[in-house]
Amino acid sequence: EADIYQTPRYLVIGTGKKITLECSQTMGHDKMYWYQQDPGMELHLIHYSYGVNSTEKGDLSSESTVSRIRTEHFPLTLESARPSHTSQYLCASGRGYGYTFGSGTRLTVV
Amino acid sequence: GENVEQHPSTLSVQEGDSAVIKCTYSDSASNYFPWYKQELGKGPQLIIDIRSNVGEKKDQRIAVTLNKTAKHFSLHITETQPEDSAVYFCAASRAGGTSYGKLTFGQGTILTVHP
Repeated sequence: EADIYQTPRYLVIGTGKKITLECSQTMGHDKMYWYQQDPGMELHLIHYSYGVNSTEKGDLSSESTVSRIRTEHFPLTLESARPSHTSQYLCASGRGYGYTFGSGTRLTVV
Repeated sequence: GENVEQHPSTLSVQEGDSAVIKCTYSDSASNYFPWYKQELGKGPQLIIDIRSNVGEKKDQRIAVTLNKTAKHFSLHITETQPEDSAVYFCAASRAGGTSYGKLTFGQGTILTVHP
């Protein structure tokens, strides 16, 4: 049973809309991560957090922003969605080594 | 930073055969090497991992080997079954510093097991 939850699973939205992808975990993990997975499968780290009020940009530049106000919650926001943002977004959490991934949000911007 | 290369990108085997996926890494400070399996419509799931003080680890039909000198590690699946069909990712991370716990992933391998 998943202890890390992402909502929504699927989202189709128009260009210019503001969206927030939700990620919550019940494991008390201090570290949380957002990955973007392109159609070619590769996983690209776009944001990570090592604790409350700590956020860092990942290896792949992204126009999205994140916040970490509570340990269990790590939402990702796009202020103005564009077709280039169409992708699968995966959230993960961990304590020390290794991650647990959520099921992902598949975002389509039309 | 760390760079992980994974081969092959696709692998097709007959049921019952063995499958081997190989990865190389660049950062000699990396000391944790997990493997993830991603099924269609799901997030990646950890299937096995190895730390740098161990050369080999087995879990039923799955094994991982690590060669720290050559900076490569491999996933071995024996007696493959159709349910092993999925995308497999290797990854590496280092202890300590600002990168502590942050995984760098390989490009992924699509494994198809034919009945």
